[in-house]
Amino acid sequence: EVQLLESGGGLVQPGGSVRLSCAASGFTFSSSAVSWVRQAPGKGLEWVSTVNDVGHATFYADSVKGRFTISRDNYKNTLYLQMDSLRVEDTALYFCAKDRWDCSGGNCYRVMFDYWGQGTLVTVSS
Amino acid sequence: QTVVTQEPSFSVSPGGTVTLTCGLSSGSVSTSYYPSWYHQTPGQAPRTLIYSTNTRSSGVPDRFSGSILGNKAALTITGAQADDESDYYCVLYMGSAISLFGGGTKLTVL
Repeated sequence: EVQLLESGGGLVQPGGSVRLSCAASGFTFSSSAVSWVRQAPGKGLEWVSTVNDVGHATFYADSVKGRFTISRDNYKNTLYLQMDSLRVEDTALYFCAKDRWDCSGGNCYRVMFDYWGQGTLVTVSS
Repeated sequence: QTVVTQEPSFSVSPGGTVTLTCGLSSGSVSTSYYPSWYHQTPGQAPRTLIYSTNTRSSGVPDRFSGSILGNKAALTITGAQADDESDYYCVLYMGSAISLFGGGTKLTVL
């Protein structure tokens, strides 16, 4: 059974930092791209960041680029999100999600986020 | 800035059929965007319903179907049940690992 368990959320002041973790099990972690998706209170979902299977390629939404850093440890089966220079608008439930990608004709594309964790809440407030 | 559009809310009677749509603020949605659909009940993680326009995720009943209708992606629920009451999100793949979520549709079954 695929499981994704996030941790590390909490209350942080504007301008502060926090690191989220996501422990993965039930699948070959080192063969899968993984992502962070967030949901502000009462709002919709927003893709935040993705790292490829070996951790060499990272991608970010414009709203977090330059402030957040995604990484992974394939020996520990763990995904991370280092969040710096936090803003009030970063307050959200942060989900870890496993990507499913398909490739055709030399091009690859994400077809879905096929498994999700339950999320960890980050609250940015003074 | 590209925005993915969804109806904010929709209502369907038990046993009825409803079609939710997913559009783009500029341009048309096609299969090249690999539309996917998720549902989410309060306090829960999202769950995948449909991917690659019309492929049902494992365990999803065939009451749920995906398609392209005109210039939008569509999710059709036939024989709506009370526990279909949920928030529904579409996602479009924009390239360069970027996926854009729609704002979600709150579906009420009554």
